[in-house]
Amino acid sequence: QVQLVQSGAEVKKPGASVKVSCKGSGYTFTGQYLHWVRQAPGQGLEWMGWINPHSGDTKYAEKFQGRVTMTRDTSITTAYMELINLRSDDAAIYYCVRDALQLSWGQGTLVSVSS
Amino acid sequence: DIQMTQSPSSLSASVGDRVTITCRASQVISHYLAWYQQKPGEVPKLLIYLASTLQSGVPSRFSGSGSGTDFTLTIDSLQPEDVATYYCQKYNSAPWAFGQGTRVEIK
Repeated sequence: QVQLVQSGAEVKKPGASVKVSCKGSGYTFTGQYLHWVRQAPGQGLEWMGWINPHSGDTKYAEKFQGRVTMTRDTSITTAYMELINLRSDDAAIYYCVRDALQLSWGQGTLVSVSS
Repeated sequence: DIQMTQSPSSLSASVGDRVTITCRASQVISHYLAWYQQKPGEVPKLLIYLASTLQSGVPSRFSGSGSGTDFTLTIDSLQPEDVATYYCQKYNSAPWAFGQGTRVEIK
């Protein structure tokens, strides 16, 4: 079955960067886009951008332009989302989501930002 | 960018009641609309995709309808385990957009 398994929780200081991984299995990794969505504590869902695992093309939400980079390594069917220059309001759970008719979500990665 | 407006933001209903949540897109999104249920500390759970297709394993009391700009999630007979926050999502093209959520409680 389709699975997206994300890396573990991270604790970062303001100004640092974080890189979250998302390993896909149970489907053709290069066949569907992967999106990243985040959810701050007690808040709603916010779209960050997508990566085409086949080509490596990306599209980012305007809000994150210049701070986010999405990459992938097809040899290990893993996508990455790196966010730099972290601020306190970047504290959130970060999800990868497979773009298919039946959307599939990773289990989420908690990123804490605190000095 | 397309905005998704969900209503109400919260509701309280009795067990067995029929509950309706609406989601309106600022532009036509065809039928690329999903509904999720999220309980505290859990990953959003896909209930409905393509506006009206029930995800496998989801109870049949959940249903979705609509196309174009106006969509509805209905819970036919509210159960205690349905207490959660519900989100709509448009996914026809980037950027994706989510409704702000509807918190459902038992009266």
